[in-house]
Amino acid sequence: GQQLNQSPQSMFIQEGEDVSMNCTSSSIFNTWLWYKQDPGEGPVLLIALYKAGELTSNGRLTAQFGITRKDSFLNISASIPSDVGIYFCAGLHFGNQFYFGTGTSLTVIP
Amino acid sequence: SAVISQKPSRDICQRGTSLTIQCQVDSQVTMMFWYRQQPGQSLTLIATANQGSEATYESGFVIDKFPISRPNLTFSTLTVSNMSPEDSSIYLCSVEDPGQGAYEQYFGPGTRLTVT
Repeated sequence: GQQLNQSPQSMFIQEGEDVSMNCTSSSIFNTWLWYKQDPGEGPVLLIALYKAGELTSNGRLTAQFGITRKDSFLNISASIPSDVGIYFCAGLHFGNQFYFGTGTSLTVIP
Repeated sequence: SAVISQKPSRDICQRGTSLTIQCQVDSQVTMMFWYRQQPGQSLTLIATANQGSEATYESGFVIDKFPISRPNLTFSTLTVSNMSPEDSSIYLCSVEDPGQGAYEQYFGPGTRLTVT
């Protein structure tokens, strides 16, 4: 299947700092989704991106659909303790199957 | 977005037994998916379940091991058969909702399975 690589694998940041993470693929995707997963819970959809170059915000979160259609970026501004969790990207290649990234674990230190 | 519930939320099972996981959606959806998430790992698609047709399984997953039912547009079950400790994972169902001309997937809370 398609491989989506996320980086960094983990992050430890101070409360109030901004966070950046990205997701790259060797294949072109038509849709990018970003999810957050808390321990013991299912992933929750944060942002959906549909067009190359698209920049979309959801509160303190901003995500971008890369121009090459092979990558996507997620930024979190002014992090707070409840941002802790694992963030996954997912890309739609063809048809209806999404491929999920390897995940970025975020720890926010108060 | 669709609201999805799963039963059970967690279970501890003995090897060699089977467990059926239920997924209920609060609205009618065409596409339902079953994923496996092994400890500390990403999500791996097991199969796609459309109402009225047999499930489509991904490479590495077979119907005898993971039989799926999709009797209507709001419900599906996944059975993990003849379990072994390697089947210990979180099992997630998801549904696809059309949004802005494209499709978004929403997940249930997951079923945490431990096989001893």
